[in-house]
Amino acid sequence: QQQVKQSPQSLIVQKGGISIINCAYENTAFDYFPWYQQFPGKGPALLIAIRPDVSEKKEGRFTISFNKSAKQFSLHIMDSQPGDSATYFCAAKRYSGAGSYQLTFGKGTKLSVIP
Amino acid sequence: KAGVTQTPRYLIKTRGQQVTLSCSPISGHRSVSWYQQTPGQGLQFLFEYFSETQRNKGNFPGRFSGRQFSNSRSEMNVSTLELGDSALYLCASSLAGGRSYEQYFGPGTRLTVT
Repeated sequence: QQQVKQSPQSLIVQKGGISIINCAYENTAFDYFPWYQQFPGKGPALLIAIRPDVSEKKEGRFTISFNKSAKQFSLHIMDSQPGDSATYFCAAKRYSGAGSYQLTFGKGTKLSVIP
Repeated sequence: KAGVTQTPRYLIKTRGQQVTLSCSPISGHRSVSWYQQTPGQGLQFLFEYFSETQRNKGNFPGRFSGRQFSNSRSEMNVSTLELGDSALYLCASSLAGGRSYEQYFGPGTRLTVT
């Protein structure tokens, strides 16, 4: 019940295309869903996040779509650029007691945007 | 504001040794979490410290331990190293848990156990 399943493992997209990464979860206690972007040699950086009372959130070329009934959420990268080539992680947060909130991460999607 | 810093960036240790990794959070952040990142398992939560107290722990053996100091800096220690402990160890800081939970990651310490 703690898992977050992410697909695909890797993705190759042409420059200007749309990149779509999907995540699914089981635990309904999750209440915050961030996406992280990680470049080689760097730590993950928060990209965009959504709460389950919202079905879509857009920030620039990045959009999260959230389907609460299906327990699925996805990241869409519009007009993908070579600079977007990175590993993307979805995550889900839940309260774990004693004032602590824990993030559970998907296993990541390696995105390559080719010119 | 300076970001999260981790030292050292790279470490090579031998099986059976122990290692201590250090993390300095963003100024004003009181919560520090540690994660292990491997190609096979992804990012796995180790533990979280807040105000010098461990308030959450992941599913790792007791060889993995940590502590937090009064200035919020944190250290994690791995004793009796095993080959499988080779990983990128990431530290993340946040103001505190809450409705949103923005964690800011450091660049990590790459640990190689031979």
